[in-house]
Parts: sequence; structure tokens; C-alpha cells
Amino acid sequence: DIQMTQSPSTLSASVGDRVTITCRASQSISSWLAWYQQKPGKAPKLLIYQASSLESGVPSRFSGSGSGTEFILTISSLQPDDFATYYCQHYSGYPRTFGQGTKVEIK
Amino acid sequence: EVQLVESGGGLVQPGGSLRLSCAASGFSFSGHWMTWVRQAPGKGLEWVANIKQDGSEKYYVDSVKGRFTISRDNPKNSLYLQMNSLRAEDTAVYYCARDRSVSSWSLFFDCWGQGTLVTVSS
Repeated sequence: DIQMTQSPSTLSASVGDRVTITCRASQSISSWLAWYQQKPGKAPKLLIYQASSLESGVPSRFSGSGSGTEFILTISSLQPDDFATYYCQHYSGYPRTFGQGTKVEIK
Repeated sequence: EVQLVESGGGLVQPGGSLRLSCAASGFSFSGHWMTWVRQAPGKGLEWVANIKQDGSEKYYVDSVKGRFTISRDNPKNSLYLQMNSLRAEDTAVYYCARDRSVSSWSLFFDCWGQGTLVTVSS
């Protein structure tokens, strides 16, 4: 099985900060990676797919990069609505697996 | 508007069974792979199973193989998860999700339901 490891697990940041979250795959997954945002008590929301494609309706301050085994989610200027937990997920084979999540907290 | 509404969750004893349903609307249900994802209380997301458009392919995470069965009824725009031999570790919110793919390959999940809570406890 492909393991997905995110870092950090928790991130404290202020409004306006540039934030980066890393996701590493245990083997190459090409660009078969998606990023989701989840707020407490809510369903996840798709942000990025194919490692770097922005989902329709998602603000342009979100961006994704990487391929192979290392991927990055960047929020260029953190907004109050962005405090949430972020998950990466691969779709290169089965089982699909998610990273353990990165919680972005208010500093 | 795309909508997915799960139902069927509740409290069940260990070893018991439960059937979850997901009612889809606002899109061509029969054209998409569909998926179940779960989230234990305070934990991360875990992919559980998915099913191809015509039901001809189904995939499961190892921990539920032989106990859970995913199925769909395209004329009824509905997705199901039959859960047998339930264990305490199956306690979670179960989400139904639409796969973006309309091809032979499952991809990522672009629409999610609100989830239904399954609690396995005596």
C-alpha cells in the first residue's frame, strides 16, 4: 500500500501568512494527488487535483505543486476562512489513502 | 445542484449489521464512479470502498473486505454500503462521495455528502 505522510501535523499561522504543507508518498504516484480542506463537523472539500490543478470556485491563493513522491500545498496569503484541516490523497492504485491531515490554527 | 444525502447510520452492537444509503441528485449518477469514505471520531479520513459506473468493478480497503459490500442502483440514483460483522473500530462518520471520473478509471472525489454516523458499541 502507498503511505501518505503530511508535515507538519499542526501549523500555527496568522492572517496574511504564506503557508506550505508537505505531503510525501511512500512510492512514486506521478501527479495522481488531490488536496482537500475540511472544517469541523463538515464534509471535506476538493481544492486541488492532479497535484496542481485548481478546482473550479477555489480561490487562487491556493496552489499545488510536485510530482513523484513530494507534493506541496501553498496558501499564498492565509485568510480567516482558511483555518481548517487539510488532507492529501493519492489515486494511483488501490487502496486509495489519505495523509493524516494538517491542522492550520490561528497563531 | 449536485447533492448527496446519506442515511442509515445509528447505534449497533458489535457483530451486528447496518445498511447505509446515499441518495444522489443533480447529476448523471450512472456516469460516475462512487465512493464511501469514513472518519473515526477525532481522526483522519479513510477510503473504504468504491464502485464503477455499472457496478462491474468494486474495490475495498483491507480492513473491511469480506464484511462490507458496496452496491448501487442506477435507476434509483442510489449508492449503498452493507456493513456486516461490525466492530468497535468501524465507528465513524461515513461519507458518500462522487468520483470526478466518467471513464474507466476512478480518480478523486469532487462532491461529498454530509455524512452519517455509525456507532458500534454494546
